[in-house]
Amino acid sequence: AQKITQTQPGMFVQEKEAVTLDCTYDTSDPSYGLFWYKQPSSGEMIFLIYQGSYDQQNATEGRYSLNFQKARKSANLVISASQLGDSAMYFCAMREEGAAGNKLTFGGGTRVLVKP
Amino acid sequence: DVKVTQSSRYLVKRTGEKVFLECVQDMDHENMFWYRQDPGLGLRLIYFSYDVKMKEKGDIPEGYSVSREKKERFSLILESASTNQTSMYLCASSAIRGSTSTDTQYFGPGTRLTVL
Repeated sequence: AQKITQTQPGMFVQEKEAVTLDCTYDTSDPSYGLFWYKQPSSGEMIFLIYQGSYDQQNATEGRYSLNFQKARKSANLVISASQLGDSAMYFCAMREEGAAGNKLTFGGGTRVLVKP
Repeated sequence: DVKVTQSSRYLVKRTGEKVFLECVQDMDHENMFWYRQDPGLGLRLIYFSYDVKMKEKGDIPEGYSVSREKKERFSLILESASTNQTSMYLCASSAIRGSTSTDTQYFGPGTRLTVL
Protein backbone atom coordinates (compact mmCIF):
# COMPACT_ATOMS: atom_id res chain seq x y z
CA ALA A 1 0.00 0.00 0.00
CA GLN A 2 1.20 3.49 -0.79
CA LYS A 3 2.31 5.39 2.24
CA ILE A 4 1.95 8.83 0.70
CA THR A 5 -0.74 9.62 -1.86
CA GLN A 6 -1.06 12.79 -3.88
CA THR A 7 -4.20 12.42 -5.98
CA GLN A 8 -3.76 15.52 -8.16
CA PRO A 9 -1.18 14.95 -10.88
CA GLY A 10 -1.55 18.51 -12.12
CA MET A 11 -3.54 21.67 -11.61
CA PHE A 12 -3.91 25.22 -12.85
CA VAL A 13 -4.36 28.17 -10.55
CA GLN A 14 -4.97 31.82 -11.32
CA GLU A 15 -2.33 34.25 -10.13
CA LYS A 16 -3.17 35.79 -6.73
CA GLU A 17 -5.61 33.01 -5.87
CA ALA A 18 -5.10 30.32 -3.24
CA VAL A 19 -4.53 26.68 -4.11
CA THR A 20 -4.75 23.52 -2.01
CA LEU A 21 -2.60 20.49 -2.77
CA ASP A 22 -3.84 17.22 -1.34
CA CYS A 23 -1.73 14.70 0.54
CA THR A 24 -2.90 11.64 2.46
CA TYR A 25 -0.61 9.28 4.30
CA ASP A 26 -0.66 5.89 5.90
CA THR A 27 1.28 4.94 8.99
CA SER A 28 0.76 3.02 12.19
CA ASP A 29 3.57 4.94 13.86
CA PRO A 30 2.22 7.40 16.48
CA SER A 31 5.20 9.70 15.93
CA TYR A 32 5.96 11.00 12.46
CA GLY A 33 6.71 14.14 10.53
CA LEU A 34 5.27 15.45 7.29
CA PHE A 35 7.18 17.61 4.82
CA TRP A 36 6.37 19.53 1.69
CA TYR A 37 8.96 20.27 -0.98
CA LYS A 38 8.86 22.38 -4.10
CA GLN A 39 10.76 21.41 -7.24
CA PRO A 40 11.01 24.12 -9.91
CA SER A 41 11.93 23.25 -13.48
CA SER A 42 15.59 23.73 -12.57
CA GLY A 43 15.37 20.50 -10.58
CA GLU A 44 16.44 21.37 -7.05
CA MET A 45 14.18 20.31 -4.18
CA ILE A 46 13.29 23.17 -1.87
CA PHE A 47 11.96 22.48 1.62
CA LEU A 48 8.77 24.45 2.30
CA ILE A 49 7.11 23.39 5.53
CA TYR A 50 7.05 20.75 8.24
CA GLN A 51 4.32 19.35 10.50
CA GLY A 52 5.00 17.01 13.40
CA SER A 53 2.37 14.46 14.39
CA TYR A 54 2.19 15.85 17.92
CA ASP A 55 2.07 19.48 16.89
CA GLN A 56 -1.12 21.05 18.19
CA GLN A 57 -1.27 23.81 15.63
CA ASN A 58 -1.13 23.73 11.86
CA ALA A 59 2.24 24.79 10.52
CA THR A 60 2.61 28.05 8.61
CA GLU A 61 5.54 29.54 6.73
CA GLY A 62 4.81 32.79 4.96
CA ARG A 63 2.34 32.06 2.17
CA TYR A 64 2.45 28.33 2.89
CA SER A 65 0.24 26.66 5.44
CA LEU A 66 -0.47 23.06 6.20
CA ASN A 67 -4.02 21.85 6.82
CA PHE A 68 -3.26 18.91 9.11
CA GLN A 69 -6.17 16.58 9.85
CA LYS A 70 -4.67 13.78 11.88
CA ALA A 71 -7.78 11.63 12.15
CA ARG A 72 -8.17 11.69 8.37
CA LYS A 73 -4.43 11.24 7.87
CA SER A 74 -4.24 14.19 5.56
CA ALA A 75 -1.72 17.02 5.34
CA ASN A 76 -2.80 19.36 2.59
CA LEU A 77 -0.59 22.27 1.55
CA VAL A 78 -2.27 25.63 1.02
CA ILE A 79 -0.49 28.28 -1.00
CA SER A 80 -2.09 31.68 -0.63
CA ALA A 81 -1.87 34.54 -3.14
CA SER A 82 -0.24 32.41 -5.85
CA GLN A 83 2.62 33.91 -7.81
CA LEU A 84 4.02 32.95 -11.20
CA GLY A 85 7.12 31.67 -9.44
CA ASP A 86 5.00 29.09 -7.63
CA SER A 87 4.75 27.08 -10.85
CA ALA A 88 6.56 23.86 -9.98
CA MET A 89 6.21 20.27 -8.85
CA TYR A 90 5.21 19.84 -5.22
CA PHE A 91 5.98 16.75 -3.19
CA CYS A 92 4.58 15.59 0.12
CA ALA A 93 6.84 13.34 2.21
CA MET A 94 6.69 11.52 5.53
CA ARG A 95 9.31 10.52 8.06
CA GLU A 96 8.26 7.84 10.51
CA GLU A 97 9.75 7.61 13.98
CA GLY A 98 11.02 4.13 13.34
CA ALA A 99 12.67 5.01 10.05
CA ALA A 100 16.41 4.56 10.09
CA GLY A 101 18.65 7.38 9.01
CA ASN A 102 15.98 10.08 8.84
CA LYS A 103 14.50 8.33 5.82
CA LEU A 104 11.65 10.01 3.92
CA THR A 105 8.88 8.46 1.85
CA PHE A 106 7.58 10.65 -0.98
CA GLY A 107 4.30 10.95 -2.81
CA GLY A 108 4.05 11.06 -6.60
CA GLY A 109 3.89 14.83 -6.74
CA THR A 110 1.51 17.49 -8.06
CA ARG A 111 2.44 19.84 -10.87
CA VAL A 112 1.13 23.37 -10.36
CA LEU A 113 0.93 25.90 -13.15
CA VAL A 114 0.08 29.47 -12.19
CA LYS A 115 -1.69 31.43 -14.91
CA PRO A 116 -1.25 35.23 -15.21
CA ASP B 1 24.91 28.48 2.69
CA VAL B 2 24.35 24.73 2.80
CA LYS B 3 25.48 22.83 -0.23
CA VAL B 4 24.98 19.43 -1.80
CA THR B 5 26.68 19.07 -5.16
CA GLN B 6 26.45 16.35 -7.76
CA SER B 7 29.18 15.63 -10.27
CA SER B 8 27.07 16.04 -13.41
CA ARG B 9 23.76 17.64 -14.35
CA TYR B 10 23.39 15.55 -17.50
CA LEU B 11 24.94 12.23 -18.40
CA VAL B 12 24.54 9.96 -21.41
CA LYS B 13 25.83 6.39 -21.20
CA ARG B 14 25.52 3.20 -23.20
CA THR B 15 23.93 -0.03 -22.08
CA GLY B 16 26.39 -2.14 -20.14
CA GLU B 17 28.66 0.70 -19.10
CA LYS B 18 29.67 1.18 -15.49
CA VAL B 19 28.38 4.53 -14.26
CA PHE B 20 29.48 6.54 -11.23
CA LEU B 21 27.36 9.34 -9.81
CA GLU B 22 29.12 11.41 -7.17
CA CYS B 23 27.59 13.50 -4.42
CA VAL B 24 29.39 15.80 -1.99
CA GLN B 25 27.94 17.73 0.95
CA ASP B 26 29.66 20.41 2.99
CA MET B 27 27.39 20.38 6.04
CA ASP B 28 29.10 17.60 8.00
CA HIS B 29 25.89 15.58 7.81
CA GLU B 30 25.87 11.98 8.96
CA ASN B 31 23.06 10.79 6.67
CA MET B 32 23.23 10.71 2.89
CA PHE B 33 20.68 9.40 0.40
CA TRP B 34 20.30 8.50 -3.25
CA TYR B 35 16.88 8.74 -4.90
CA ARG B 36 15.64 8.29 -8.39
CA GLN B 37 12.76 10.39 -9.66
CA ASP B 38 10.37 9.23 -12.38
CA PRO B 39 7.17 10.93 -13.56
CA GLY B 40 4.16 9.97 -11.46
CA LEU B 41 6.26 7.93 -9.05
CA GLY B 42 7.82 10.73 -7.05
CA LEU B 43 11.18 10.08 -5.45
CA ARG B 44 12.09 6.53 -4.58
CA LEU B 45 14.94 5.73 -2.24
CA ILE B 46 17.71 3.59 -3.72
CA TYR B 47 20.26 3.50 -0.88
CA PHE B 48 21.17 5.55 2.14
CA SER B 49 24.09 5.79 4.51
CA TYR B 50 24.10 6.95 8.12
CA ASP B 51 27.86 6.81 8.64
CA VAL B 52 31.12 6.31 6.78
CA LYS B 53 31.30 2.83 5.27
CA MET B 54 27.74 2.11 6.40
CA LYS B 55 24.95 1.62 3.90
CA GLU B 56 21.35 0.48 3.90
CA LYS B 57 19.14 -0.60 1.05
CA GLY B 58 16.20 1.59 0.24
CA ASP B 59 13.08 0.64 -1.66
CA ILE B 60 14.65 -0.03 -5.08
CA PRO B 61 18.31 -1.10 -4.65
CA GLU B 62 18.40 -3.65 -7.47
CA GLY B 63 20.97 -2.80 -10.12
CA TYR B 64 22.73 -0.24 -7.91
CA SER B 65 25.49 -0.15 -5.34
CA VAL B 66 26.94 2.66 -3.25
CA SER B 67 30.17 3.68 -1.62
CA ARG B 68 30.86 6.01 1.28
CA GLU B 69 34.55 6.17 2.08
CA LYS B 70 34.44 9.72 3.46
CA LYS B 71 31.74 11.47 5.43
CA GLU B 72 31.17 14.18 2.83
CA ARG B 73 31.01 11.93 -0.23
CA PHE B 74 28.42 9.35 -1.29
CA SER B 75 28.70 7.60 -4.63
CA LEU B 76 26.05 5.73 -6.56
CA ILE B 77 27.29 3.02 -8.90
CA LEU B 78 25.45 1.38 -11.76
CA GLU B 79 27.54 -1.73 -12.39
CA SER B 80 26.06 -2.37 -15.83
CA ALA B 81 23.73 0.38 -16.95
CA SER B 82 20.44 -0.57 -18.54
CA THR B 83 17.85 1.51 -20.38
CA ASN B 84 15.38 1.19 -17.51
CA GLN B 85 17.82 3.11 -15.35
CA THR B 86 17.28 6.23 -17.43
CA SER B 87 16.03 8.67 -14.82
CA MET B 88 16.72 11.72 -12.71
CA TYR B 89 18.97 10.91 -9.75
CA LEU B 90 18.88 13.07 -6.65
CA CYS B 91 21.30 13.02 -3.77
CA ALA B 92 20.39 14.37 -0.33
CA SER B 93 21.92 14.71 3.10
CA SER B 94 20.67 15.35 6.61
CA ALA B 95 21.89 15.53 10.16
CA ILE B 96 21.11 12.75 12.60
CA ARG B 97 17.58 13.37 13.73
CA GLY B 98 17.59 15.29 16.94
CA SER B 99 14.97 17.01 18.99
CA THR B 100 14.41 19.85 16.55
CA SER B 101 11.46 19.32 14.27
CA THR B 102 12.68 20.78 11.00
CA ASP B 103 15.73 18.58 10.40
CA THR B 104 14.97 18.30 6.75
CA GLN B 105 16.97 16.68 4.00
CA TYR B 106 18.99 18.96 1.73
CA PHE B 107 19.08 18.03 -1.93
CA GLY B 108 21.56 18.36 -4.73
CA PRO B 109 20.55 19.69 -8.16
CA GLY B 110 20.09 16.22 -9.63
CA THR B 111 21.71 14.26 -12.46
CA ARG B 112 19.61 13.41 -15.48
CA LEU B 113 20.98 10.11 -16.72
CA THR B 114 20.11 8.71 -20.14
CA VAL B 115 21.13 5.15 -20.96
CA LEU B 116 21.07 4.36 -24.67
